[in-house]
Amino acid sequence: GAVVSQHPSWVICKSGTSVKIECRSLDFQATTMFWYRQFPKQSLMLMATSNEGSKATYEQGVEKDKFLINHASLTLSTLTVTSAHPEDSSFYICSARDRSGATEAFFGQGTRLTVV
Amino acid sequence: AQTVTQSQPEMSVQEAETVTLSCTYDTSESDYYLFWYKQPPSRQMILVIRQEAYKQQNATENRFSVNFQKAAKSFSLKISDSQLGDAAMYFCAYRSSNSGYALNFGKGTSLLVTP
Repeated sequence: GAVVSQHPSWVICKSGTSVKIECRSLDFQATTMFWYRQFPKQSLMLMATSNEGSKATYEQGVEKDKFLINHASLTLSTLTVTSAHPEDSSFYICSARDRSGATEAFFGQGTRLTVV
Repeated sequence: AQTVTQSQPEMSVQEAETVTLSCTYDTSESDYYLFWYKQPPSRQMILVIRQEAYKQQNATENRFSVNFQKAAKSFSLKISDSQLGDAAMYFCAYRSSNSGYALNFGKGTSLLVTP
C-alpha cells in the first residue's frame, strides 16, 4: 500500500517550452501533496504544498507563475514548469499525505528534468 | 523556522561494522516528528525510521536505531551490521506536528560501505 507514482521519470525539453509532471497516489486519497526540488548532491527543498481543490501554497523564493501546481483530485497533483530554462534542470520529487492520517507522507520516485 | 543540521557530509564503514550518523535540529516546538530517510542512487526516498518527540523510547527498526536526545535536540542514526546495500545518502528530516506534513531536511550524509 501507500504507493505514489510520478510521471515521467525523466524528461528532456527545449528551452522556452513547458513541461508537466504528474504525481498520483495509487492506493489512497491524498488531501495534501508536496513538491520538492533537489539539485545534484544537495538536499530536498520544499517548493510548494498543494491541497485538493484549492490553490497551492508556495515557499518563499519559488515563482508561482513559473511552477504551476494543480491538485484537481484526491489522487492527482501536477507541476508544470512553464517557459523552462536550463537553470530549471533539477530533480523534482512529490510526496502525498494519506487523508486517513498516516504519520508520514509518501514519496514518488522523482522526475529528472533536463532543459537544453 | 526549524533547521536541521547534518555535520557529516561523508561517512565510511566497513561491512558488518556499526556506524552512527549525526543530526541536530533547532525548534521551539515541543511536539514534532523526526525521520531518517535513505536515498540510494535510484533517488527514491525510503523511510528508514521515525521518532515521535513525545515518546521517550528510542525507535528501532531491525538494524537501525536512533538515539533521540530531546533536550539536546539531537537525533542520531545507528546502523548495525552494515551491509553493502546500506550505501546511500541519508537525510535527517523534521516535521512539525501542527504545520502539515511537509518535511524540513538536513543536507545529508553520504554513507560508503566497504567490503
